Amino acid sequence: AQKITQTQPGMFVQEKEAVTLDCTYDTSDPSYGLFWYKQPSSGEMIFLIYQGSYDQQNATEGRYSLNFQKARKSANLVISASQLGDSAMYFCAMREENTDKLIFGTGTRLQVFP
Amino acid sequence: GAVVSQHPSRVICKSGTSVKIECRSLDFQATTMFWYRQFPKKSLMLMATSNEGSKATYEQGVEKDKFLINHASLTLSTLTVTSAHPEDSSFYICSASGWQWNSREFFGPGTRLTVL
Repeated sequence: AQKITQTQPGMFVQEKEAVTLDCTYDTSDPSYGLFWYKQPSSGEMIFLIYQGSYDQQNATEGRYSLNFQKARKSANLVISASQLGDSAMYFCAMREENTDKLIFGTGTRLQVFP
Repeated sequence: GAVVSQHPSRVICKSGTSVKIECRSLDFQATTMFWYRQFPKKSLMLMATSNEGSKATYEQGVEKDKFLINHASLTLSTLTVTSAHPEDSSFYICSASGWQWNSREFFGPGTRLTVL
């Protein structure tokens, strides 16, 4: 079974609008961390935001927020006020405490248009 | 955040030769380094995990004699692709984590390998 599922291969959003990128995960480990990374065409992986499984509040980092719904095992990324420079691939990832490995989803390509 | 560098950023080599890729943590001690491979338009696949001073742990299906990993110091890990073939052409990315960063990994900029 897929550990991390990103069901949106591609998304479009208009500049200045908000967009939600979906991510669901599967784990039986009570302790885990969820990550979102941005990968522009240059290839570098840019860390965006982190949510721990025991965190009570949703993580926020500037224009990025993580909509963490533990019971539903979802960790959607919300980007507010989209900018043209947000166009990139976005990967959701999870690290389980018992494996200590980062498992990536298949990614969502976001395109921001003027 | 911390900085991880990779060298070279791009390499083209002939089939049968070996290629070494370096991954360095520039401003922190990386107790663990990871090597990933990414095919075009695909996700990152973990190849191996290396801890400083010990042998790397390879993921299932990754040939350890083909992809030699050395983590000789707290700031340097190397991946050597031995006897490279065209199917080894890929984007290779390293990441590093240290005790001070909890479970967070910092990624290098990646190395694009093309084997002719």
